[in-house]
Amino acid sequence: AQTVTQSQPEMSVQEAETVTLSCTYDTSESDYYLFWYKQPPSRQMILVIRQEAYKQQSATENRFSVNFQKAAKSFSLKISDSQLGDAAMYFCAYRGYNDMRFGAGTRLTVKP
Amino acid sequence: DAGVIQSPRHEVTEMGQEVTLRCKPISGHNSLFWYRQTMMRGLELLIYFNNNVPIDDSGMPEDRFSAKMPNASFSTLKIQPSEPRDSAVYFCASSLTGTGVSEQFFGPGTRLTVL
Repeated sequence: AQTVTQSQPEMSVQEAETVTLSCTYDTSESDYYLFWYKQPPSRQMILVIRQEAYKQQSATENRFSVNFQKAAKSFSLKISDSQLGDAAMYFCAYRGYNDMRFGAGTRLTVKP
Repeated sequence: DAGVIQSPRHEVTEMGQEVTLRCKPISGHNSLFWYRQTMMRGLELLIYFNNNVPIDDSGMPEDRFSAKMPNASFSTLKIQPSEPRDSAVYFCASSLTGTGVSEQFFGPGTRLTVL
């Protein structure tokens, strides 16, 4: 089974600063999808950004961008100009042919 | 669109009772997923349907758990008999799977407490 590893259980960032959350994964598939989801205290899972493995260019969505390194099986999330509303649990996820796996999550705290 | 709908939002039951969780996916989506989230184990995929057919149920903990999808607009997750260790938040998610893969849209979850 594919595994997804988030090595940072907790991270904190000062408001308006930049933070990077790490994610690595293990797979033997060549075609797959990667996602970052945000889960605020309301516990609703919200998609932040997605990346198709066949695309070399890393995805960007406003203040959120990823650094996708396919050879290294790395998929980190960068949040620029952090806002108080960014405080949440962030989950990295892998979607393969018949598989969906989530990392253990990183709790992000934003300090005013 | 109303999004993925789950019911009930909260369920408290006693050990040994049967529990049924319900999910209505987003109209037009052809894949449905059931997840369980706990502090100890994080977010676990329990079962995954594609076009109403179970594709992968390897995450279902044991025979006490069963899931059905009788049609494209409805799915149930049943626990019989329930145990205190089943206490968790259960999420249902749906997506459109075709030539590509879309992201999963999650429901609000059902918080289950088994006393």
